Amino acid sequence: QKEVEQDPGPLSVPEGAIVSLNCTYSNSAFQYFMWYRQYSRKGPELLMYTYSSGNKEDGRFTAQVDKSSKYISLFIRDSQPSDSATYLCAILANAGGTSYGKLTFGQGTILTVHP
Amino acid sequence: DSGVTQTPKHLITATGQRVTLRCSPRSGDLSVYWYQQSLDQGLQFLIQYYNGEERAKGNILERFSAQQFPDLHSELNLSSLELGDSALYFCASSTRAGRTDTQYFGPGTRLTVL
Repeated sequence: QKEVEQDPGPLSVPEGAIVSLNCTYSNSAFQYFMWYRQYSRKGPELLMYTYSSGNKEDGRFTAQVDKSSKYISLFIRDSQPSDSATYLCAILANAGGTSYGKLTFGQGTILTVHP
Repeated sequence: DSGVTQTPKHLITATGQRVTLRCSPRSGDLSVYWYQQSLDQGLQFLIQYYNGEERAKGNILERFSAQQFPDLHSELNLSSLELGDSALYFCASSTRAGRTDTQYFGPGTRLTVL
């Protein structure tokens, strides 16, 4: 079983739809949660970052963390064609040693928003 | 543009060969990270350097090695290449080595092993 599970999709939605992207994780040591967006042929870019349970909002994006269920979500409101990309969840353990800077990524969900 | 540069963009080589991938971090960043992205394994952390010293290690093969130089650029050396090493290799950098420091990714090097 992978440490972080993410449905690879693909997910196709009409413009203006609300998109829900989800990841589950198995390691309780995971304490820091991020969402990255990766456009085709580009490197991932950080969208949102949180370390506590609950919701964090940034414009049309909301990140949600439920540590008790080991479940994280990213919601995109009023989705736009420019949101079409691969979305990766990434989790960092609250541990030192050789895992200090290690981000563990989900498989990525391919999202297409069509006009 | 993240400010992280990687060269070359594309690399095509044969099995058994050795290649070197280069990364220049954002100006002022002290940490460099290397990741491998393949279709079957996704994006996987390989190794992190902070100010010239190895800081964290992931599932990096023994055939792979990396280093960070005094000018903070980093190189990832891949040797005895196998078909399965074909992947996108990303470098990322961050200001420090703290857990919450944002990692900025470069555009990647696409390696094809024939």
